Amino acid sequence: GESVGLHLPTLSVQEGDNSIINCAYSNSASDYFIWYKQESGKGPQFIIDIRSNMDKRQGQRVTVLLNKTVKHLSLQIAATQPGDSAVYFCAEGGVPNYGGSQGNLIFGKGTKLSVKP
Amino acid sequence: KAGVTQTPRYLIKTRGQQVTLSCSPISGHRSVSWYQQTPGQGLQFLFEYFSETQRNKGNFPGRFSGRQFSNSRSEMNVSTLELGDSALYLCASEAGTGTYTQYFGPGTRLTVL
Repeated sequence: GESVGLHLPTLSVQEGDNSIINCAYSNSASDYFIWYKQESGKGPQFIIDIRSNMDKRQGQRVTVLLNKTVKHLSLQIAATQPGDSAVYFCAEGGVPNYGGSQGNLIFGKGTKLSVKP
Repeated sequence: KAGVTQTPRYLIKTRGQQVTLSCSPISGHRSVSWYQQTPGQGLQFLFEYFSETQRNKGNFPGRFSGRQFSNSRSEMNVSTLELGDSALYLCASEAGTGTYTQYFGPGTRLTVL
């Protein structure tokens, strides 16, 4: 079946540097994409999302880029801090309707981000 | 608003037993989804409930079941536990009205011995 995959399973960066976490998706029908951060012992925490009709969206210190031509999604974290150390997941879903996503999110395997002080 | 809560946080069971996990969504949210997270398989979708009805189901055996109550609280049940059921079970809450952002609880860590 179609799934979401990640290019880099681990990423180590220096504190203060920018981080880029990549994700490839295979379902061209996916309409929205979400990035989650999961710290040890906790559930995934929503970071940012993007609809397929956009190619860029910015949040606080984070930017998500969507390239539908090559089915690629990336999460950029500016001025990475030790508190950013976690596993990052991308997820994709189909077209939401009045009833929301209906739980139909497909998650990637995750990328572990390690920030060196 | 209070976040998604799950009980219990940790559970140890033996093979053949059954288990019930509970999830309380964010107030006002009507959709609850359940996921199983393991190191090997990652996050896998189990099922989703909206207004007490199961709308979507993942590829898991019938031993996994769930339900949702009128107050949107949800439970999932696993019968005849197997060693491979050891995992972190996550519940996610969503408004269910045109949005698609799911908010996760801390999970229930189930260990099957």
